[in-house]
Amino acid sequence: EAQVTQNPRYLITVTGKKLTVTCSQNMNHEYMSWYRQDPGLGLRQIYYSMNVEVTDKGDVPEGYKVSRKEKRNFPLILESPSPNQTSLYFCASSLSLSNSPLHFGNGTRLTVT
Amino acid sequence: ILNVEQSPQSLHVQEGDSTNFTCSFPSSNFYALHWYRWETAKSPEALFVMTLNGDEKKKGRISATLNTKEGYSYLYIKGSQPEDSATYLCAFRQAGTALIFGKGTTLSVSS
Repeated sequence: EAQVTQNPRYLITVTGKKLTVTCSQNMNHEYMSWYRQDPGLGLRQIYYSMNVEVTDKGDVPEGYKVSRKEKRNFPLILESPSPNQTSLYFCASSLSLSNSPLHFGNGTRLTVT
Repeated sequence: ILNVEQSPQSLHVQEGDSTNFTCSFPSSNFYALHWYRWETAKSPEALFVMTLNGDEKKKGRISATLNTKEGYSYLYIKGSQPEDSATYLCAFRQAGTALIFGKGTTLSVSS
């Protein structure tokens, strides 16, 4: 089944404890992206990647890192999480950044205390 | 900073009503306009990707139109059903940039 898989679905952590949210897609998509969803603010892009070893900042990259060493994986890394990173995170992929729709993962609900 | 505006923010209709919402975006350097449907506790799912001025797309009772010259797109739902209750997101892309999402229109359909 074609899908974007995020893990974990839920995560509660403490300030400063490094964490990684994994994202994997099995559709051979070139484009992958991370978004965060906060009440009243819509989906905001954190980082995106056009292809392997190519990543770019989105609108809200501060406090996050990403890597794209393989086409299928695009992990989101929080080196030192803070409470303002408590949010709902979505990974998404598409065949390209041209006219292809985004396919979203199931989301990761992160709480940083 | 590019801005994508959706209106109304929320909408409540009765089963069987037809409804429509608006997505407004910058009219310069247009590349693509996406519509997504986002049900509670699920992830957004693509409805349409539109690229040409005057484009009209249809999927069942849902359709969308696009006017790139004036910078707006309409999403129509004919004969709303309770299962249409969701947040509808539009996303805009200029040439060479990533997708920018609007904040969505939340539709509630009561039976």
